[in-house]
Amino acid sequence: GEDVEQSLFLSVREGDSSVINCTYTDSSSTYLYWYKQEPGAGLQLLTYIFSNMDMKQDQRLTVLLNKKDKHLSLRIADTQTGDSAIYFCAENAGGYNKLIFGAGTRLAVHP
Amino acid sequence: DAGVTQSPTHLIKTRGQHVTLRCSPISGHKSVSWYQQVLGQGPQFIFQYYEKEERGRGNFPDRFSARQFPNYSSELNVNALLLGDSALYLCASLPGQGARNTEAFFGQGTRLTVV
Repeated sequence: GEDVEQSLFLSVREGDSSVINCTYTDSSSTYLYWYKQEPGAGLQLLTYIFSNMDMKQDQRLTVLLNKKDKHLSLRIADTQTGDSAIYFCAENAGGYNKLIFGAGTRLAVHP
Repeated sequence: DAGVTQSPTHLIKTRGQHVTLRCSPISGHKSVSWYQQVLGQGPQFIFQYYEKEERGRGNFPDRFSARQFPNYSSELNVNALLLGDSALYLCASLPGQGARNTEAFFGQGTRLTVV
């Protein structure tokens, strides 16, 4: 079946690193994605990783993929107040562009 | 260049009514996908359209339908509205059916409230 699970809430201090975790079930997913959603806004693609990779770094963002355990994580270095948002993990499924999203992790950054 | 345009931005309807939501993809994009995001949950796939044909359908009742026009814009229709249809409806624009989701851009969404 298709299912993506995430922890619902994370609170960090400004300047610390944030790590958001996700597990997925569809081992045939070729790409895994991280999206950001700010209040009242649509979805913004933050980064993604191809399934044959273990790690991808993009400026302050690091994505780690453990394909054996079907575990994906997003690390945000030097977290800022502007990073406060809901972060969604997603996998593609099926022969078309269907995305399966987790319920989202709300990241709260405090001074 | 305009991004993905959805209209209206907000809408209030009564149970049993019908609603039409609209999406204009990015210029040059030929595929549109629709997602429903209920408060507190992640988006759920409803439909994908490419070249005016339905290419994928999620697990939604027949009250939900959509179509794509020759200019690649799309409408999502929901009949016999239920309270549970209250959600943010998101449209995603892609260059084509075979395009990677990394090339998908989402609109700001239409917030539908059913009372």
